[in-house]
Amino acid sequence: DSGVTQTPKHLITATGQRVTLRCSPRSGDLSVYWYQQSLDQGLQFLIQYYNGEERAKGNILERFSAQQFPDLHSELNLSSLELGDSALYFCASSVRDSAVGEQYFGPGTRLTVT
Amino acid sequence: AQSVTQLDSQVPVFEEAPVELRCNYSSSVSVYLFWYVQYPNQGLQLLLKYLSGSTLVKGINGFEAEFNKSQTSFHLRKPSVHISDTAEYFCAVTLNRDDKIIFGKGTRLHILP
Repeated sequence: DSGVTQTPKHLITATGQRVTLRCSPRSGDLSVYWYQQSLDQGLQFLIQYYNGEERAKGNILERFSAQQFPDLHSELNLSSLELGDSALYFCASSVRDSAVGEQYFGPGTRLTVT
Repeated sequence: AQSVTQLDSQVPVFEEAPVELRCNYSSSVSVYLFWYVQYPNQGLQLLLKYLSGSTLVKGINGFEAEFNKSQTSFHLRKPSVHISDTAEYFCAVTLNRDDKIIFGKGTRLHILP
């Protein structure tokens, strides 16, 4: 158990809908990272927050947005969903905002868009 | 931009045999390198990382990796695998401490009895 929690574990929704994925980092970790894992694209970095501020952006679509709240939990919002958004979405946390620090991954949220 | 290539998508190996999972990166500057492991139905876990210093890096669960700058490689090795090593292994790279990490496509390790 990494100490990172993600809810829900599974999510099934229809095209065009909007969903919110939630992540609670390990106690004391200030950085939260979001990744998308799919069969064709592999593991792609989406976005990073550090202590409430956006720190780095990866291959995140404009339909997707995220935020980190004062209690440090984070939410990833996915809107106007398409079939291709079906994937495993991971959240990871680390103590600092450095890329060379160890990231602790949550168990993931499996999103299925039908 | 930096990239990571994991040459094998799947590697079958007999239990107690040695294994090497290959990883090559492309970058003309210094890099930081990582190996992560993903057990079935779980998130990723850091196995080891190379930041600087000794080119032979030891990680958890008996794994080690060797950084080879001339060959731009960071291959992962274990002298004797166990059935519990069945997992997907990801090589990753970043150029600097403030940049994002780029992951390879992963290598699925199958342990044969």
